[in-house]
Amino acid sequence: DAKTTQPPSMDCAEGRAANLPCNHSTISGNEYVYWYRQIHSQGPQYIIHGLKNNETNEMASLIITEDRKSSTLILPHATLRDTAVYYCIVRVEVTGGGNKLTFGTGTQLKVEL
Amino acid sequence: GAGVSQTPSNKVTEKGKYVELRCDPISGHTALYWYRQSLGQGPEFLIYFQGTGAADDSGLPNDRFFAVRPEGSVSTLKIQRTERGDSAVYLCASSPQSFDTGELFFGEGSRLTVL
Repeated sequence: DAKTTQPPSMDCAEGRAANLPCNHSTISGNEYVYWYRQIHSQGPQYIIHGLKNNETNEMASLIITEDRKSSTLILPHATLRDTAVYYCIVRVEVTGGGNKLTFGTGTQLKVEL
Repeated sequence: GAGVSQTPSNKVTEKGKYVELRCDPISGHTALYWYRQSLGQGPEFLIYFQGTGAADDSGLPNDRFFAVRPEGSVSTLKIQRTERGDSAVYLCASSPQSFDTGELFFGEGSRLTVL
């Protein structure tokens, strides 16, 4: 699976949009971009995933560049409860192959008043 | 409960002892995963079950680690002759099929401390 690069930490003011970048310059055509987050002392939580089109759900939006070498996770109105480590993961979807996600060290997002 | 349940939440043991960690996945989920997370690191894959069988155990660090899922539901991760380096949070996750939307549902983990 392609390697990802994320900044180690970011700060965001409560109520503002949090934009978390991820570089995946070696991504292959059949590899998806996944985002998970991990709030302190909890297990990781799935946020969103996409292949080439931008995606949006109730939690966040995922913007993938046209060349697919980078992406941005957007939390439109960050709250204190969004303080967490955010992981960007790239992997191939293999039916029957299991979901062996390779987590990096992620971005520690701190949302402040 | 509705989520993945892991017990114990905390386990302190002495070097050389045997440890079992239990995972109760979401009802109906056929795929089950074990991950290990050391301080300051992201989770690291250990093993994946599809039903009762281990479909991929490539992440188990050595033969002191073993996991079972005899009835395709509850799984137990077993660690023999524990070492201080085994100290970590052991996370279990489940998903409805072997590969669905990419969403894994994680438990809160079992924190293992080896003294």
